[in-house]
Amino acid sequence: AQTVTQSQPEMSVQEAETVTLSCTYDTSESDYYLFWYKQPPSRQMILVIRQEAYKQQNATENRFSVNFQKAAKSFSLKISDSQLGDAAMYFCAYRSSPQGGSEKLVFGKGTKLTVNP
Amino acid sequence: DTGVSQDPRHKITKRGQNVTFRCDPISEHNRLYWYRQTLGQGPEFLTYFQNEAQLEKSRLLSDRFSAERPKGSFSTLEIQRTEQGDSAMYLCASSLEVSHYEQYFGPGTRLTVT
Repeated sequence: AQTVTQSQPEMSVQEAETVTLSCTYDTSESDYYLFWYKQPPSRQMILVIRQEAYKQQNATENRFSVNFQKAAKSFSLKISDSQLGDAAMYFCAYRSSPQGGSEKLVFGKGTKLTVNP
Repeated sequence: DTGVSQDPRHKITKRGQNVTFRCDPISEHNRLYWYRQTLGQGPEFLTYFQNEAQLEKSRLLSDRFSAERPKGSFSTLEIQRTEQGDSAMYLCASSLEVSHYEQYFGPGTRLTVT
């Protein structure tokens, strides 16, 4: 079974600075998807960024980028120019490829990000 | 596109009572997922549907839990004989096969069992 580990329960960053959230995972599959989801307080979860395992290029979405190290099974999220609205719980999630069968997301325990003005 | 909606948003019930939650996915999304999230944890998968077919169930989904999606649109999750350990946020998500498998989440139903 796949597992996702987020080793940082809490992180803080100054507004306009850069922060990196860590995620490692364990799988025997060679093809899969990885995601970072953001869950603001009392609001619903939204997708921040997605990475397909077969792609070597790291995904980027505006101020959000990932460092995907397949061999190390590491998938970190970098937030540049942090804004107050970035404050939230961030969850790393794993999903098997379509050929893998299961469509469920396997989540880590999350990292609570605080942005200080 | 009004997003995934869930009803009710909050439910307080006494131990032993039955509860039912509803999820309305984004229209035309053929896949619907249920997750449970307890305090301080990430969501845990419960079950998912492709159209009206329930294709996967987690071991977390005990016999007291049942989910349906009778017409391939909205879904219900029923918990019978609730226990205090059932207290959690129940999240629903939906997706389209062609959308790179992104799951869109609803606001959740927070269940408190007293």
